[in-house]
Amino acid sequence: DQQVKQNSPSLSVQEGRISILNCDYTNSMFDYFLWYKKYPAEGPTFLISISSIKDKNEDGRFTVFLNKSAKHLSLHIVPSQPGDSAVYFCAASDEGSARQLTFGSGTQLTVLP
Amino acid sequence: EAGVAQSPRYKIIEKRQSVAFWCNPISGHATLYWYQQILGQGPKLLIQFQNNGVVDDSQLPKDRFSAERLKGVDSTLKIQPAKLEDSAVYLCASSPRNSGSADTQYFGPGTRLTVL
Repeated sequence: DQQVKQNSPSLSVQEGRISILNCDYTNSMFDYFLWYKKYPAEGPTFLISISSIKDKNEDGRFTVFLNKSAKHLSLHIVPSQPGDSAVYFCAASDEGSARQLTFGSGTQLTVLP
Repeated sequence: EAGVAQSPRYKIIEKRQSVAFWCNPISGHATLYWYQQILGQGPKLLIQFQNNGVVDDSQLPKDRFSAERLKGVDSTLKIQPAKLEDSAVYLCASSPRNSGSADTQYFGPGTRLTVL
């Protein structure tokens, strides 16, 4: 039972354009969501997070949107840069599970120069 | 601030052999996690420590996997005996506060295990 789903295994975007990565979840108890970026042979690196009391959080070129009614969140990268090419993981947690992270399967983003 | 350290980075063993991984979390971080990441999947939690106590090990295959966090700092994860399906990247992560806080987890580079 996948509680966090990233249905697009890969995404290609032209440099300078917007990248939109999507994530769906099924557990209504999740109240904190995170995006991690992973380069080959490295561990995941925290990118941005959002609490369920918000519907948007922005940090520079990165914005995360949360739609609780649809149990959907998305990560927008504007403008996309070649260095953004990596695997992006969506993760979620809830207080009842001691803040353990449940990860999606990841989306490979390729930004083409 | 130094990040999460893990060693070794790579390990190749034959099935039925034993292997151990080491993790040194970020200084002062109370909570430590071990994850297993199989190729093409997201990380899956194996065990969570708070200080030197186990918070959750419900997804740890205890017939072959064991983990400890002595003195609430470093941690080791052991597999004995290894199976082919244990081939994966083993990630260690730490977070600063107690388990109930909505903390960010910081990951180490991982150990890539190949079981032949």
